[in-house]
Amino acid sequence: ETGVTQTPRHLVMGMTNKKSLKCEQHLGHNAMYWYKQSAKKPLELMFVYNFKEQTENNSVPSRFSPECPNSSHLFLHLHTLQPEDSALYLCASSQDRGAYNEQFFGPGTRLTVL
Amino acid sequence: QKEVEQDPGPLSVPEGAIVSLNCTYSNSAFQYFMWYRQYSRKGPELLMYTYSSGNKEDGRFTAQVDKSSKYISLFIRDSQPSDSATYLCAMSGYQGAQKLVFGQGTRLTINP
Repeated sequence: ETGVTQTPRHLVMGMTNKKSLKCEQHLGHNAMYWYKQSAKKPLELMFVYNFKEQTENNSVPSRFSPECPNSSHLFLHLHTLQPEDSALYLCASSQDRGAYNEQFFGPGTRLTVL
Repeated sequence: QKEVEQDPGPLSVPEGAIVSLNCTYSNSAFQYFMWYRQYSRKGPELLMYTYSSGNKEDGRFTAQVDKSSKYISLFIRDSQPSDSATYLCAMSGYQGAQKLVFGQGTRLTINP
């Protein structure tokens, strides 16, 4: 595997379900991100982790719970979601060097909440 | 007012045409400007990165920044069907920023 991988690629869940999204980066980076991409809206940053520590929570509802066990893996735990949470969830990683940090994105998980 | 405005399109042009994609922004603190390209069923990938005002060229792509007008552009020369994608502008206020502000993306189709 190379780059940033995400599983599953597609997920359909009911509002009462609990599910998790997984992201793995194979680039040796020290920062990881979750983004939400909805139709006709800008990419929304949700969470940032640096060296496994959460450094940014962009006012995300508590029904989204991130977990970063190490610098290579990132999870997004989902529970009691709403239909408006249906979107493409993108994971990204970067190497924080203080200079410009190019973010490398995974292919995303297409989430549908029924 | 949104911090970054980008016409979502869709934009459809014939192969070989020059394409102009644009974003405007309201925050004068932005100094770092990026263009990402996102193919269908893929994540965004960085295409161009520029600092402050001026032009930057990479092959058929030219990124232009006009800070006085708070306006950035991406030009694609000799457009190819493989350029069909969604193009997102992004910007930040300082070097090494992890929090980027994105436009909503312009969907571009190049017709053979």
